[in-house]
Amino acid sequence: EAAVTQSPRNKVAVTGGKVTLSCNQTNNHNNMYWYRQDTGHGLRLIHYSYGAGSTEKGDIPDGYKASRPSQENFSLILELATPSQTSVYFCASGGLDRGTGGAQDTQYFGPGTRLLVL
Amino acid sequence: GMPVEQNPPALSLYEGADSGLRCNFSTTMKSVQWFQQNHRGRLITLFYLAQGTKENGRLKSTFNSKERYSTLHIKDAQLEDSGTYFCAAYNYAQGLTFGLGTRVSVFP
Repeated sequence: EAAVTQSPRNKVAVTGGKVTLSCNQTNNHNNMYWYRQDTGHGLRLIHYSYGAGSTEKGDIPDGYKASRPSQENFSLILELATPSQTSVYFCASGGLDRGTGGAQDTQYFGPGTRLLVL
Repeated sequence: GMPVEQNPPALSLYEGADSGLRCNFSTTMKSVQWFQQNHRGRLITLFYLAQGTKENGRLKSTFNSKERYSTLHIKDAQLEDSGTYFCAAYNYAQGLTFGLGTRVSVFP
C-alpha cells in the first residue's frame, strides 16, 4: 500500500507564529492534498497539487499556503497561526493505482498531525 | 442539501452482529471510497468503487451511481471494527467530497 508520512505528528503553536506541516509520499503519485478534520465538518480540502511546482486552492484555503517543491513533498504553511486553526490535518497522495484498478481519484492518507494553537 | 449524506451518524453493535452504513449523493458521482478512522485517528482506505460491489473479508461495499448511493456492510462485527467510517465520493465538478462519518461502536 501507498506510504504517506507526516511531520510533526503533534504541534503546539502560539497565536501569530508560523507553522509548517510536512508531508512525504513514496508512491510517485502526481497528486497530493491537505485536509483538516473538525467535528461536525468532516474532512475539508485546504490545498492540493497536481505535481512539483503546482499548488491549487481547495475549499477552505484562507489562512494557509502550500508548497510542492518536489514530487515527494508537499507542505502546508500557516504564516500567522490562529486558534481557529486548531485541528487535525491530514495529507494524502493520489494517482493511478494499477494494482487495484483505481483511478486518479484514489487517495491514500498519512497518519495526521494534531495542531493546537494557543 | 449536503452533497454526501451519511447515515446513521452513530451505530452500536454487539460482537457477531451484521449491519450496514449508507451514503446518499445529491448528484451523480463517478466513484466512491470508504475509509475507517481508528481510535488513533489514522485513516485507513477500505474500498474504492467506480461501480458494482466489492468484498474484503467481513466487509462488503456497493456503489450505484445511477441511484446515487453507496453502502458498506459489516458482517460478524468484531471489537476492532469500532471506529468512524467515512464515505467520500468523487465527481469532476466537485472533486472528492466526504460525508460526516458514522461512529461505529462494537460491544462484547
